[in-house]
Amino acid sequence: AQSVTQLDSQVPVFEEAPVELRCNYSSSVSVYLFWYVQYPNQGLQLLLKYLSGSTLVESINGFEAEFNKSQTSFHLRKPSVHISDTAEYFCAVRVYGGATNKLIFGTGTLLAVQP
Amino acid sequence: DGGITQSPKYLFRKEGQNVTLSCEQNLNHDAMYWYRQDPGQGLRLIYYSQIVNDFQKGDIAEGYSVSREKKESFPLTVTSAQKNPTAFYLCASSSSQGLQETQYFGPGTRLLVL
Repeated sequence: AQSVTQLDSQVPVFEEAPVELRCNYSSSVSVYLFWYVQYPNQGLQLLLKYLSGSTLVESINGFEAEFNKSQTSFHLRKPSVHISDTAEYFCAVRVYGGATNKLIFGTGTLLAVQP
Repeated sequence: DGGITQSPKYLFRKEGQNVTLSCEQNLNHDAMYWYRQDPGQGLRLIYYSQIVNDFQKGDIAEGYSVSREKKESFPLTVTSAQKNPTAFYLCASSSSQGLQETQYFGPGTRLLVL
């Protein structure tokens, strides 16, 4: 069965420091990969996605993620974080099975940016 | 503005009571989804619908029911059979069930048991 693993439940970091949020997936078939961000008491917003082509994808607010097929990873990085980046981040995998294309989420990583 | 609305923001349920969570979208999306979010467990799929008058069970459908009578609406009923309903419920939609389609999420409803 396909699954998504986010090893870190919380990542504390100081403002302007770099950060990496890890995501690994297990799948025997090709996948599409997504990162969503959730601010407190809100829904999820798409941050970035990998569908095909360049393995490095970027968001408009400075985050980037690299698809590594050999390591089955899709880690999220930002070179310099801001207080406003404090949120929970979810990695998700889109797989195909039967009559539906399910979106499978990891358990989330809380990014806590401290001044 | 196009988007997904969920109401109410907070909902209280008494023992043995059925409650219905509303989800409306004006994005003209065909597919809609309901997820349950619990701390430390990420999101789990309850039900999804690919088209009007059709829906399928997700991973944790027991104790829940849905309907899809209109394209823009996908209400979720939490029945008395759901013994642990306290959670954050998220509705989402996508233009189709295609592999590359992005799911867009509503703001969520927090359900609490009295």
